[in-house]
Amino acid sequence: EIVMTQSPATLSVSPGERATLSCRASQSVSNYLAWYQQKPGQAPRLLISGASTRATGIAARFSGSGSGTEFTLTISSLQSEDFAVYYCQQYNNWPLIFGGGTTVEIK
Amino acid sequence: VQLLESGGGLVQPGGSLRLTCAASGFTFSTYAMNWVRQAPGKGLEWVSDISGSGHSTFYADSVKGRFTISRDNSKNTLYLQMHSLRAEDTAVYYCAKRSSFVSGPMDVWGQGTTVTVSS
Repeated sequence: EIVMTQSPATLSVSPGERATLSCRASQSVSNYLAWYQQKPGQAPRLLISGASTRATGIAARFSGSGSGTEFTLTISSLQSEDFAVYYCQQYNNWPLIFGGGTTVEIK
Repeated sequence: VQLLESGGGLVQPGGSLRLTCAASGFTFSTYAMNWVRQAPGKGLEWVSDISGSGHSTFYADSVKGRFTISRDNSKNTLYLQMHSLRAEDTAVYYCAKRSSFVSGPMDVWGQGTTVTVSS
């Protein structure tokens, strides 16, 4: 079973600053990697698929990169609505696995 | 495009429950569907997947043999039958649409239904 490891667990960032979130897979998932955002009391929302393709309606400040085992989600200039928990997920193999999440909090 | 879960509630350990997810706004039969759960204060855990036709199903080891995913494409509805429920099954259960017939990311999510397993 693939293990997805996200770091850091918590990221403290000031509004307007750049945030860089990491996700590492224990074995290659090619580019079958998605990123989701979840705010308190809400369902997750797809941000990025195929490691780097923004989902419909997602702001350009969100970008994804990487392939194989190392992936990054970058939020170029944090807005107040971006403070949330972010999950990566591989969909290359069964079982589908989510990372443990990174909480982006206001510094 | 909308997914609306129902059927959650309080159930005793060892009991059963059936969750339902009503889909609208898209051609239901052409997309794989999933159940994902989130225990209180925890992260997301994939539970089960079913292909668009319903012919292929997959389960997390934690629920294999106890949960059954199914769909009725004539009713645009997804189900999760849960048996032998345990305290560790307590969670918000989300249904989620995948972006293709058999795979892809989860591009649409419902708001979730809460299952509490407790005596």
